[in-house]
Amino acid sequence: RKEVEQDPGPFNVPEGATVAFNCTYSNSASQSFFWYRQDCRKEPKLLMSVYSSGNEDGRFTAQLNRASQYISLLIRDSKLSDSATYLCVVYNDYKLSFGAGTTVTVRA
Amino acid sequence: DAGVIQSPRHEVTEMGQEVTLRCKPISGHNSLFWYRQTMMRGLELLIYFNNNVPIDDSGMPEDRFSAKMPNASFSTLKIQPSEPRDSAVYFCASSPRGRENIQYFGAGTRLSVL
Repeated sequence: RKEVEQDPGPFNVPEGATVAFNCTYSNSASQSFFWYRQDCRKEPKLLMSVYSSGNEDGRFTAQLNRASQYISLLIRDSKLSDSATYLCVVYNDYKLSFGAGTTVTVRA
Repeated sequence: DAGVIQSPRHEVTEMGQEVTLRCKPISGHNSLFWYRQTMMRGLELLIYFNNNVPIDDSGMPEDRFSAKMPNASFSTLKIQPSEPRDSAVYFCASSPRGRENIQYFGAGTRLSVL
């Protein structure tokens, strides 16, 4: 079983729409959680950390459910520039484990 | 500030040749990671260095792969001999002391082995 499982999508949404997706992780001892963003043929970049209480960063809202081992990301008022692959990432000791990514395409 | 610097950005080589990928971490960072990304397997950790010492190389695929970190500002990943299945994007990342959960990635080296 993969350590982090994600719905690969793709999610194809119009500008201004809300899009949400999630991932699950297998190691209940995982210490911290993140969403990374990866643009086509570029390196992954940290989008935001994810906390159990839920947290927002502008139009982005992340949520963690430790009991269900489930992480979500919601993007409100989608922009063309949000088109990317979103990687769910789980940290344990020194190791980041990456999901395969969810592809989001925002169309005009 | 300069980020993680990798070279070359692209490498095309023939099967059997030696390939050396290079990485300069962010100054002051004491942890360095090498990853490989493929469509089939996603992003995988190959090796982790802390204070220039290899801590975990369990992700290195086989003996054809080796990595070194001779000093705090330079690391290499070598494949000898290279095979077509080694074709992938190789990323280097670094993190500051005590913050291994916050990793900064280089732009990657896109390797094609023909």
